[in-house]
Amino acid sequence: RKEVEQDPGPFNVPEGATVAFNCTYSNSASQSFFWYRQDCRKEPKLLMSVYSSGNEDGRFTAQLNRASQYISLLIRDSKLSDSATYLCVVILTGGGNKLTFGTGTQLKVEL
Amino acid sequence: NAGVTQTPKFRVLKTGQSMTLLCAQDMNHEYMYWYRQDPGMGLRLIHYSVGEGTTAKGEVPDGYNVSRLKKQNFLLGLESAAPSQTSVYFCASSPRTGLGNQPQHFGDGTRLSIL
Repeated sequence: RKEVEQDPGPFNVPEGATVAFNCTYSNSASQSFFWYRQDCRKEPKLLMSVYSSGNEDGRFTAQLNRASQYISLLIRDSKLSDSATYLCVVILTGGGNKLTFGTGTQLKVEL
Repeated sequence: NAGVTQTPKFRVLKTGQSMTLLCAQDMNHEYMYWYRQDPGMGLRLIHYSVGEGTTAKGEVPDGYNVSRLKKQNFLLGLESAAPSQTSVYFCASSPRTGLGNQPQHFGDGTRLSIL
């Protein structure tokens, strides 16, 4: 079983739609959680951190459910520019600030 | 701001050749990392460093060596390249973790093909 699992998609949605991605992680000792965004053939870029109480950044909302070991990302009012692959990332205990990546969920926003 | 810079951007090698990928960061970060990204596999950690002069193995270290002689530079070496090492390589850096874990900042990647 992969440590971080995501539905690879693609999710094809019309502009203006609301779309949600889920991610599950296997290690209950995971400490920190992030969503990264990766455009085609580009480097991953931090989208947002995920906090236990849930957090929002503009059109993006992240939630963490430690009991069920999943993380979600909600995108409201999708824009064409939101088309990308969204990577779920966790940091396990053990030092070194090492990231463990999911394989990513591809989003395509269409006119 | 340069951030994290990787050189070269592209390289084609023949099986058995050696090469070194260079990563440089100008953010005074303590931690540096090398990843590879393959289709359907996500990013996997090769080696990392928590400070100048120290390195450690990640998830897929075989066939690679690293060095961190200067804080700002982290080198990834392939001693004898194999076709299985064809991949996109990303370097990243982050500050030392304090009260919480820190997100990492990535370079824009090196596309390496081994023939």
